[in-house]
Amino acid sequence: DIQMTQSPSSLSASVGDRVTITCRASQSISTYLNWYQQKPGKAPKLLISAASTLQSGVPSRFSGSGSGTDFTLTISSLQREDFATYYCQQSYSSSYTFGQGTNLEI
Amino acid sequence: QVQLQESGPGLVKPSETLSLTCTVSGHSIRSDYHWGWIRQPPGKGLEWIGHISHTGSTYYNPSLTSRVSMSVDTSKSQFSLKLSSVTASDTAVYYCATLGRTFEYSNSWYYFDFWGQGTLVTVSS
Repeated sequence: DIQMTQSPSSLSASVGDRVTITCRASQSISTYLNWYQQKPGKAPKLLISAASTLQSGVPSRFSGSGSGTDFTLTISSLQREDFATYYCQQSYSSSYTFGQGTNLEI
Repeated sequence: QVQLQESGPGLVKPSETLSLTCTVSGHSIRSDYHWGWIRQPPGKGLEWIGHISHTGSTYYNPSLTSRVSMSVDTSKSQFSLKLSSVTASDTAVYYCATLGRTFEYSNSWYYFDFWGQGTLVTVSS
């Protein structure tokens, strides 16, 4: 299995901050990497696919980058509604895996 | 827009089989889509369970493959999950989701783009 490791596991930030979350794969996965946002009691929401493709309706303050084993999700200027848990997920192999999550809190 | 709704028992006894159904609306289940299941134990992260293609090909999490099966019922626009011999560690919120695809040249990128609201299944006697 391909292991996905996110860092940090939790992060405290303030409205207006620039925040970066990192996801590392245990082997090269090219750009087969997706990012999701999950709020308490809700289903995850797809933010970014293929490492850097922003989904329709997702604010442009979100961006993704990376390829191979190292990836980042950046929020350029945090808004109150961005406080949530973020997950990366690889689809390189037919056995998908998620990162453990990053809890972004005030 | 695709809408998904999970249904099934909220309580299952240990050693029994967990059975869930996901009803699809707003999109043909016969289309070139894959249909997936993901679970989340209380207070923990997401775990991919598996997915099934419109042709019936299945892909399962290696840690669950001996206990899991998935199927599609096109006549009812539903797909289903069965997980046998459950224990307390199978207690989780279970989500169904569509596996969208973007392709370019010979490459395809897959991602879970539409999700159901999730249903909590508790394993307890």
